[in-house]
Amino acid sequence: ELKVEQNPLFLSMQEGKNYTIYCNYSTTSDRLYWYRQDPGKSLESLFVLLSNGAVKQEGRLMASLDTKARLSTLHITAAVHDLSATYFCAVEEKAGTASKLTFGTGTRLQVTL
Amino acid sequence: EPEVTQTPSHQVTQMGQEVILRCVPISNHLYFYWYRQILGQKVEFLVSFYNNEISEKSEIFDDQFSVERPDGSNFTLKIRSTKLEDSAMYFCASKSNEKLFFGSGTQLSVL
Repeated sequence: ELKVEQNPLFLSMQEGKNYTIYCNYSTTSDRLYWYRQDPGKSLESLFVLLSNGAVKQEGRLMASLDTKARLSTLHITAAVHDLSATYFCAVEEKAGTASKLTFGTGTRLQVTL
Repeated sequence: EPEVTQTPSHQVTQMGQEVILRCVPISNHLYFYWYRQILGQKVEFLVSFYNNEISEKSEIFDDQFSVERPDGSNFTLKIRSTKLEDSAMYFCASKSNEKLFFGSGTQLSVL
């Protein structure tokens, strides 16, 4: 059974600081997603990482994937208050004729002024 | 950008009642999903649907749950006899080759 673990679960950081969220998973997968969720809202797709060594950047967020280590990271550069949200990683695996995502526990990020 | 549409946004029901949650996936997508999220917890897979049949379902998706794609556009999740523990946010999703798009969710409250 695929297990996906994120750490930290909660992260409070000051504006302007850098930090990294880690996502470890237990079985082989070549596709990993990062989502953002604001309270009471849906899941906003941030990144899809498709292969080993993939790195994607959007604004102050950068995601990477190491399939050999079964590790993805989401790096936050010079955090701003608007980045406050919960961030989930999700690993894709085959499920019958389709596929499914197994989500991590989420990291609740709070950026303080 | 195309989007997955879900209705209603909120549903309150009494325990034991049937509910139907509705979704309109993105039109050229072939794979459809339901996920749920209990308040404060992670998102959990319920069921995947492809070629007019269930592809896989999780342990959560027991005999009380069913899915249908009655008219080629809508995709519904039915819970036959709701329980208190069914209270959650239910997300519909549809998939292109690369990306999974989530709807805005239906918040189901079972009293």
